[in-house]
Formats: sequence, structure tokens, C-alpha cells
Amino acid sequence: GAGVSQSPSNKVTEKGKDVELRCDPISGHTALYWYRQSLGQGLEFLIYFQGNSAPDKSGLPSDRFSAERTGGSVSTLTIQRTQQEDSAVYLCASSLGRSGEQYFGPGTRLTVT
Amino acid sequence: KNQVEQSPQSLIILEGKNCTLQCNYTVSPFSNLRWYKQDTGRGPVSLTIMTFSENTKSNGRYTATLDADTKQSSLHITASQLSDSASYICVVSEDRYSTLTFGKGTMLLVSP
Repeated sequence: GAGVSQSPSNKVTEKGKDVELRCDPISGHTALYWYRQSLGQGLEFLIYFQGNSAPDKSGLPSDRFSAERTGGSVSTLTIQRTQQEDSAVYLCASSLGRSGEQYFGPGTRLTVT
Repeated sequence: KNQVEQSPQSLIILEGKNCTLQCNYTVSPFSNLRWYKQDTGRGPVSLTIMTFSENTKSNGRYTATLDADTKQSSLHITASQLSDSASYICVVSEDRYSTLTFGKGTMLLVSP
């Protein structure tokens, strides 16, 4: 079956603009995760969804970052008033349950100029 | 603070040779440890997952070991191939929400 997909694959935006990143998880996966991977750094946890609710938002770096998930499926990560330090690869993963194996999407490379 | 440290940071080996990557962690409580392979421009793909009671697990030419007492793990790659060139990431899971702590990865280059 299809894996986790993310769009766009690349996004270049000007500082101060808002961006939306999309994640389509594997069908039937109830858990969905967003991570950020900066150059030379390990993956950084941002937020976890179980169904449409987010029991763990502890990784969101500032109030400019928000995420939602609708219909227990697609999720959108929104970054408002982007800053240059937001430049990174944003990865989405999904799993059958919160303790299940996580399957990653290819990521969205965000560049803020 | 939970940490996962990997070494070396990067490694170059000749095709056909073996290599071993290291991972030390301070994550507590410990649930499981995973090794992922991340090709350039792709998301990480799971190679192995080990729980507290497992001390070795193989996946083809990849063999992972775990010493939960010393909080160390290794990933051994046998008879390396050019396609093994990638970043190898050690990931440790806590119990609560299965929060994952990622190492920065070891960048492996297999040269012909």
C-alpha cells in the first residue's frame, strides 16, 4: 500500500510569510508525528496526534508553530511569520498506535530566505 | 536531559568491508532502541528494533547489539555495498507516549 506522503517536497518562502506543510499518513494509522531535522542535527520531535487530538505538543518551538489533524487522517503543520531559523526538513511519521512502528514520509525541505 | 550520542560522526569505508557504528544513550525510562537508515532526501527507514531483554538482532547484513546495563548499542554492517551509503540514526524510546530521542546520526560513505 501507499506510504506516508508529504507535500510540498520543497518550499522556499520569504521571511515573515506563513507556510503550510501537509502530511498524508498511511491509511488506518491512528498516530501521527511531526519532526524537524535541521542541518547537522538529529530529528527534533514537534507534536504527536492520536486521532484528531494532540496529547503531546511539547516539541513545538514557539507559538508561531501549530498543527491540526482532521478526519483522523491528513495533518497540516503551519508556521506563521517564518524566520530563517525555521529552515529545515520537516518529517511526518505515522503508526498504527502510539507504541507502533513509525513509518516516515520523505519530508518537506523548507528554506526561509 | 535524555540524550543519544552516536559515533563516529562520519565514516568512509571500501566496498566489501565491514564496519561498526556506536550509540550511547541516557534515556530513562527505556522502552526500546531502534536503528534507522536515512538515504539522502528520504525519510528514515527502520532497520532493527530491540527491547530491554534483547541483546542482538539481525536484518540481513545489519546486526544490532544492545547492552541495557551500560546503555550502549552498536550496528554492524557486513560486506558493505555502495547502497549502504546513508545516515544511520540511533533512536531510543521512552515509555510515555513512545517519545523518541534521536541521535544525530553517523554518515556512512561506501566507496568503490
